[in-house]
Amino acid sequence: NAGVTQTPKFQVLKTGQSMTLQCAQDMNHNSMYWYRQDPGMGLRLIYYSASEGTTDKGEVPNGYNVSRLNKREFSLRLESAAPSQTSVYFCASSGPGLRRAEAFFGQGTRLTVV
Amino acid sequence: AQTVTQSQPEMSVQEAETVTLSCTYDTSESDYYLFWYKQPPSRQMILVIRQEAYKQQNATENRFSVNFQKAAKSFSLKISDSQLGDAAMYFCAYRSAYAGGTSYGKLTFGQGTILTVHP
Repeated sequence: NAGVTQTPKFQVLKTGQSMTLQCAQDMNHNSMYWYRQDPGMGLRLIYYSASEGTTDKGEVPNGYNVSRLNKREFSLRLESAAPSQTSVYFCASSGPGLRRAEAFFGQGTRLTVV
Repeated sequence: AQTVTQSQPEMSVQEAETVTLSCTYDTSESDYYLFWYKQPPSRQMILVIRQEAYKQQNATENRFSVNFQKAAKSFSLKISDSQLGDAAMYFCAYRSAYAGGTSYGKLTFGQGTILTVHP
């Protein structure tokens, strides 16, 4: 059981380049999330998907787009990378039954934009 | 909107001793979850302990326990008999218990506390 799988683990981009971070979960979870982690700021929500076919903005959505491809996969796209997007990115998922569900995280992607 | 504050950027403890990490939060909701996550150098986010706001009893998981003060909106983590493997960044997080609206299980995190364990 792999849980939440993110790719790639590391990436260096030049300013203006684009890339897509991939995320897949095999726990049949409805909800998926993208967070970014910056020093001194904890993790902040970029976008989330409450269920297949829906996506909504989180706290820091500017410069990002997402796609909920199916129930398993939720991708994050940077159309034109900027140095301010240098960060560690986490994908997470949570299951049905909110009273008991906890968030499961991928291993993170360290992205550097130069 | 909910906020979570961890006022201790760094803490240190001697191996085998006890340390307490602080967390305060602000919310107008009455039903919610609070979590402590551990992030070792591997970057993996590991759930340490969970507290449900409607439960008055403080949660415990082996050497980890919390002091949940709902009225004061305080949620501290106590690590007993500290081990070298406890060294990590620790995050406090809040999640609404309401299934409707815009909650959908979103987590609000504190800034994190780096814990160093000295042998």
